[in-house]
Amino acid sequence: EPEVTQTPSHQVTQMGQEVILRCVPISNHLYFYWYRQILGQKVEFLVSFYNNEISEKSEIFDDQFSVERPDGSNFTLKIRSTKLEDSAMYFCASSERAKHEKLFFGSGTQLSVL
Amino acid sequence: AQTVTQSQPEMSVQEAETVTLSCTYDTSESDYYLFWYKQPPSRQMILVIRQEAYKQQNATENRFSVNFQKAAKSFSLKISDSQLGDAAMYFCAYRSNQGGGSNYKLTFGKGTLLTVNP
Repeated sequence: EPEVTQTPSHQVTQMGQEVILRCVPISNHLYFYWYRQILGQKVEFLVSFYNNEISEKSEIFDDQFSVERPDGSNFTLKIRSTKLEDSAMYFCASSERAKHEKLFFGSGTQLSVL
Repeated sequence: AQTVTQSQPEMSVQEAETVTLSCTYDTSESDYYLFWYKQPPSRQMILVIRQEAYKQQNATENRFSVNFQKAAKSFSLKISDSQLGDAAMYFCAYRSNQGGGSNYKLTFGKGTLLTVNP
């Protein structure tokens, strides 16, 4: 089965530093998403992206966050100035169509902000 | 806004036995999907089963089946013949299928940690 690939699997950074989390969605997918899971808590939607623009974002996704599809294959999440509370597992996901019944998740990037 | 509630933080089952995980949700919509995701210790999110709200027949996927009660807004997961590999966190999730939006926003419950005892 095709996979969504995320790199790195673990990222450690100092508070105030910028981080970029990278994702390679499935090649024929058009809709891309970031979700976050703070340890021990539920998975939360951050942002959805289609046709090179954000289609929806949650209240978590403030000005410190941005997403980009810099080329035909990568999808990135940037956190400009990390805070301790940004420590979480970040999941990238993609789907073939807007209302496709299956969302494919990557294996996540564990971000630790010290 | 939709909410998803999983009232069982933890459950345990003996190997080969059957266990049912509960999920309720709140929505004013009529067209939506419901999902169960499994998250093993590796923390990858794995789709277990999905249910379309307009389908009355309960979804089944091998040893996994759901009991979907639309009027009661209840969506439980039954795991039959439990195996050690079923041990994981299980999340119930909701997705709207209404409107012309281009997003696939899932709303998750807090999860149920399933332990399988040998």
